[in-house]
Amino acid sequence: DSGVTQTPKHLITATGQRVTLRCSPRSGDLSVYWYQQSLDQGLQFLIQYYNGEERAKGNILERFSAQQFPDLHSELNLSSLELGDSALYFCASSPVGGRNEQYFGPGTRLTVT
Amino acid sequence: AQSVTQLGSHVSVSEGALVLLRCNYSSSVPPYLFWYVQYPNQGLQLLLKYTSAATLVKGINGFEAEFKKSETSFHLTKPSAHMSDAAEYFCAVSGPAGGTSYGKLTFGQGTILTVHP
Repeated sequence: DSGVTQTPKHLITATGQRVTLRCSPRSGDLSVYWYQQSLDQGLQFLIQYYNGEERAKGNILERFSAQQFPDLHSELNLSSLELGDSALYFCASSPVGGRNEQYFGPGTRLTVT
Repeated sequence: AQSVTQLGSHVSVSEGALVLLRCNYSSSVPPYLFWYVQYPNQGLQLLLKYTSAATLVKGINGFEAEFKKSETSFHLTKPSAHMSDAAEYFCAVSGPAGGTSYGKLTFGQGTILTVHP
């Protein structure tokens, strides 16, 4: 158990819908990262937040957005869903003063039908 | 830009044999390097990390990796495979603290390790 929690574990929804994935980092970690894992793209970095502020952006679609709240939990919002958005979405957190070692949650498996 | 190449998408070994999973990286700055393991239907677990200290890094479950700057490699080894090592392994790179590539991890495509009895 990494200490990073993600909900829900599984999500099945239809094309065109909007979903919200939730992540709570390890106690004391200020950075939260979101990654997408799919068979064709592998593991791709989406976005990073540090203490409530966006720090870095990767291959994140405009239909996707994220935020980090004052209690440090983060949400990833996916809208106008397409079949190709079906993937595993991971959240990770890293310790302050560390060397960017990231601890991953169990993931949310999104299926778009 | 940084990138990681894992040579061999599938590696098969016998129980008790040496495990060698290959990783080569490309980075314009001294990198931080990591190996993660993913068991079926689970998240990624950090095995070990290289962050510019000792070039031979020991991790959990008997794994170790050696950073070789001249070869831009960070291969993962374990002297004796166990059935429980069967999983997918990912090599990842990030830039050092303070740099623009710090933060995000860039992953290789993964290597599936199969261990035969």
